[in-house]
Amino acid sequence: DAGITQSPRHKVTETGTPVTLRCHQTENHRYMYWYRQDPGHGLRLIHYSYGVKDTDKGEVSDGYSVSRSKTEDFLLTLESATSSQTSVYFCAISPQSYEQYFGPGTRLTVT
Amino acid sequence: DQQVKQNSPSLSVQEGRISILNCDYTNSMFDYFLWYKKYPAEGPTFLISISSIKDKNEDGRFTVFLNKSAKHLSLHIVPSQPGDSAVYFCAARDSGAGSYQLTFGKGTKLSVIP
Repeated sequence: DAGITQSPRHKVTETGTPVTLRCHQTENHRYMYWYRQDPGHGLRLIHYSYGVKDTDKGEVSDGYSVSRSKTEDFLLTLESATSSQTSVYFCAISPQSYEQYFGPGTRLTVT
Repeated sequence: DQQVKQNSPSLSVQEGRISILNCDYTNSMFDYFLWYKKYPAEGPTFLISISSIKDKNEDGRFTVFLNKSAKHLSLHIVPSQPGDSAVYFCAARDSGAGSYQLTFGKGTKLSVIP
């Protein structure tokens, strides 16, 4: 299995609070991605990174920001959490190929 | 507009029989296709892939078929086993997009009945 961890694995937070999710890899892969999975929507790309300090928006980036200051860490921040951001968040990494390898996910509930 | 479509939300198959999961796409720039398998409370795991220059790729019990003219691909699992019960996602890469981005379908939940 690819060395990907996500923290926290579960979080409950209140509307309006900032939240940061962390993705950590031990594979030294260049590409990292953040997805959300919701019933009826499959996996949707939020943001991705193609190198340290190099990031770009995905399909559903509104309300989210990311940072990558080291190869191994990719942070996803919900600037002011809303109930619509209740979801399961997955990080993925790619070794400059088409396959992506996913972390175990973070279940976020915004009350 | 949904570029990758999995029109069957669920599928039930008897153990030992063939499971066929279908995926349709609309973007003719897609050049690489993948299938992922997902168990509850786990991340998706890569299963099998196929390049647009091929029409078939096989790996053990899993075979993916690609029909470019119909913009259709399918995953065949033979024989199906109870451990194959999971959600299967089809994904595709746009050759014109950067950073190896993938577009995913909504998934098909496969139930293999013992």
